[in-house]
Parts: sequence; structure tokens; C-alpha cells
Amino acid sequence: AQSVTQLGSHVSVSEGALVLLRCNYSSSVPPYLFWYVQYPNQGLQLLLKYTSAATLVKGINGFEAEFKKSETSFHLTKPSAHMSDAAEYFCAVSAGANNLFFGTGTRLTVIP
Amino acid sequence: EAGVAQSPRYKIIEKRQSVAFWCNPISGHATLYWYQQILGQGPKLLIQFQNNGVVDDSQLPKDRFSAERLKGVDSTLKIQPAKLEDSAVYLCASSLVGGGSTDTQYFGPGTRLTVL
Repeated sequence: AQSVTQLGSHVSVSEGALVLLRCNYSSSVPPYLFWYVQYPNQGLQLLLKYTSAATLVKGINGFEAEFKKSETSFHLTKPSAHMSDAAEYFCAVSAGANNLFFGTGTRLTVIP
Repeated sequence: EAGVAQSPRYKIIEKRQSVAFWCNPISGHATLYWYQQILGQGPKLLIQFQNNGVVDDSQLPKDRFSAERLKGVDSTLKIQPAKLEDSAVYLCASSLVGGGSTDTQYFGPGTRLTVL
């Protein structure tokens, strides 16, 4: 069975500060891991995905995530937050059948 | 390239009524997914189609939910009769291949259903 846990339902950062959104996964087989972003009243947009190649994955809008098997983590980071980054972020895991299992989401607020 | 289209965007109904949602995936995408996203939760897969066949419907409440994908393109999700707990955003997604690959799923804007 696969699942993800997102630590912190709300995260606030100042504009220009580091963004760190945490995700831990559980999977009985080698996982594929994803981060999606959801802006208000919109669907989900893929930020980045890990598919067993490089453990450091770079995505769109300056985001990146590092797969750490020993810690079962896939945390999302961005060096400098921008106002436009304010949104809800979902971590998801997939194992084989391309069925995504999503976490409960982290709402990011960027303070000017 | 046009994205995943969904309609309606919003729907309000009384409990025990029926409702249907429509999804048009990205052209050429073989796999189509319906997700339910309850407020404060992540999306949960309801059903996955590959072409016009069902791959996974294990989370679909089949006593009241049904879905079809005729001709392997558009899809309709129906709820009959609706319950209060069905209030959610219903998201449609599509991917080029699916079925074991790591294809990116592209999501539509969703239909927000409110059951009163």
C-alpha cells in the first residue's frame, strides 16, 4: 500500500525566504513521487516528479525536491519565495499502476 | 494544446437528486481519471479508464456513482442519488499512456458540487 504524509497543513514564509514543504511517503515497492500545486479555483499542475533517476529533481518555477530513501522523504524546496507561490501544494505517490495517492496538502502563504 | 475541459464548473443540488459531470481529456490521451477532492483533503481516485475500459474503480461507491467513457474520449460521471457527503470538487485528469507508466497526469479545473 502507498501513502504520503505532509507535515504542516499551513506554512507561512516571508517573500524572499526559503520555502520548505515536507512530505514523507510509505510504499511497499519503489515509489514514484510527485509534487502538484493548486491555485484557487484551478486544477492541479505538476511541479516535478521523481521516477528513480536522479534523486535531486528540478521542477518548474524554481522548485526542487530531493528523494531520500533512508528517510522516506521527498521534501519540496525553493530558495526564495515569491508572492505568486502562494497556493496549495500536494505530494503524491504512485507505485506501478499510475494511480496517485495524494497527501492532505500544505497551504503556503507568502508574507510581503 | 487545449487542456482538460470539465463542465459544469459549479453545481448545487438537493440531496437525493441526481447530477452528472462531463470531462473532455487532452486529445490523444488514452487514460482518463476521475478524482474526488473533499474540502481540506487531497484528491482521491474514483475511477481510471484506459481507452474505454475500466482499469480501477475500487474506490467508486457503485451503489450511487457511475461513470462511462464511450468511444474512449469524453467521459461522464454520475451521482444518483446524491448525499450530503458527496459535496466536493470532482477533478478529471488525463495522461498519454497510463497503466504502469509515470506519465504526467493533466488535471482539469474541476466541478464544485454542493449538496444541500
